[in-house]
Amino acid sequence: AQKITQTQPGMFVQEKEAVTLDCTYDTSDQSYGLFWYKQPSSGEMIFLIYQGSYDEQNATEGRYSLNFQKARKSANLVISASQLGDSAMYFCAMREGYAGGTSYGKLTFGQGTILTVHP
Amino acid sequence: GAVVSQHPSWVICKSGTSVKIECRSLDFQATTMFWYRQFPKQSLMLMATSNEGSKATYEQGVEKDKFLINHASLTLSTLTVTSAHPEDSSFYICSARRGAGTDTQYFGPGTRLTVL
Repeated sequence: AQKITQTQPGMFVQEKEAVTLDCTYDTSDQSYGLFWYKQPSSGEMIFLIYQGSYDEQNATEGRYSLNFQKARKSANLVISASQLGDSAMYFCAMREGYAGGTSYGKLTFGQGTILTVHP
Repeated sequence: GAVVSQHPSWVICKSGTSVKIECRSLDFQATTMFWYRQFPKQSLMLMATSNEGSKATYEQGVEKDKFLINHASLTLSTLTVTSAHPEDSSFYICSARRGAGTDTQYFGPGTRLTVL
């Protein structure tokens, strides 16, 4: 079974509008972390935002916010005021495992969503 | 933010040769480094977890003898693709975790390997 599911292979948004990228996850761990990364065509992975499973408030970083619904096991990324430079592949990822373990920190990635911002 | 470098950024080699890719944390000590592989327009797949001074932990289906990982110091991990074949052509990305118990992880820029 997929641990991280991104159901939108591609999304289109008009410049200056907001867009939501979906992500659902599956884990039996109580402690986990959820990440969003942006990967432009250059290939580098750019960290956008992080949400810990025990964080009560939704994470925000500038124009990025994470809509964390724990009961639904969803962690959607909201990008406000889209810019042309936001066009890229976006990955949702999850960290499982307990702190201090030798494999702590390894990430499982979703399939990705290609976001295209139109002028 | 912290910087992780990879070298080389791209490499083209003949089938049967071995290729070494370096991953360095430039301004912090990385107790753990991870190696991922990404095929075009696909997701990142974890290959192995590399802890300084110990053997790497490989994910299921990843050949240990094919992909040799060495984490000799707190700032350097290397991935050697031995006897490379065209099907090994891929984008290899490393990431480094700053310390135990932290979620902070920094990615390198990736290495594009093409095996002819």
